[in-house]
Amino acid sequence: ETGVTQTPRHLVMGMTNKKSLKCEQHLGHNAMYWYKQSAKKPLELMFVYSLEERVENNSVPSRFSPECPNSSHLFLHLHTLQPEDSALYLCASSQDLRTGLTDTQYFGPGTRLTVL
Amino acid sequence: QKEVEQDPGPLSVPEGAIVSLNCTYSNSAFQYFMWYRQYSRKGPELLMYTYSSGNKEDGRFTAQVDKSSKYISLFIRDSQPSDSATYLCAGSDYKLSFGAGTTVTVRA
Repeated sequence: ETGVTQTPRHLVMGMTNKKSLKCEQHLGHNAMYWYKQSAKKPLELMFVYSLEERVENNSVPSRFSPECPNSSHLFLHLHTLQPEDSALYLCASSQDLRTGLTDTQYFGPGTRLTVL
Repeated sequence: QKEVEQDPGPLSVPEGAIVSLNCTYSNSAFQYFMWYRQYSRKGPELLMYTYSSGNKEDGRFTAQVDKSSKYISLFIRDSQPSDSATYLCAGSDYKLSFGAGTTVTVRA
């Protein structure tokens, strides 16, 4: 399998559930990102990891908890979400942090999350 | 205020037409500019990348940056139905900011 993969592709959860989103990159990259994409809104950068260390957390509510166990895998743990958290959650990777912020990021297909 | 403003459209054009997409930005520190294309049910993919002001051409696609007016443009010549997608502009000063995306439909 190549590129950036995300599972699950679709997720419906209640406000009291706990779930996790998984991202895996097969590109040998050192930086990984979580984005939130809502209709008619710009992509919102949520978290950035470089060499498995979190380097950015853009004022994201604590009900979203990222985890990067190694440079190929990224998780987003979800708990007690709100209906306004329903969106497409995209994972991306780049060769390194500088490249990702000035050149190319490679995106996965996203997880469509619906919070009831 | 959003750092990058982009008209969400939608924009519908006949096959063969020139598609013109535009963004404005507010951060004068932006040096790097990108256009990403996102097909339905897919993640964005980099289409064009430019550094500072000027034009860049790649096949049917031309990206323009005018830093004096803080304007980013993408032109698609001889548009094809396969160009139907959402186009996202972005600017960066080592922190990346995206526009909301413009949805384009090219009618056969």
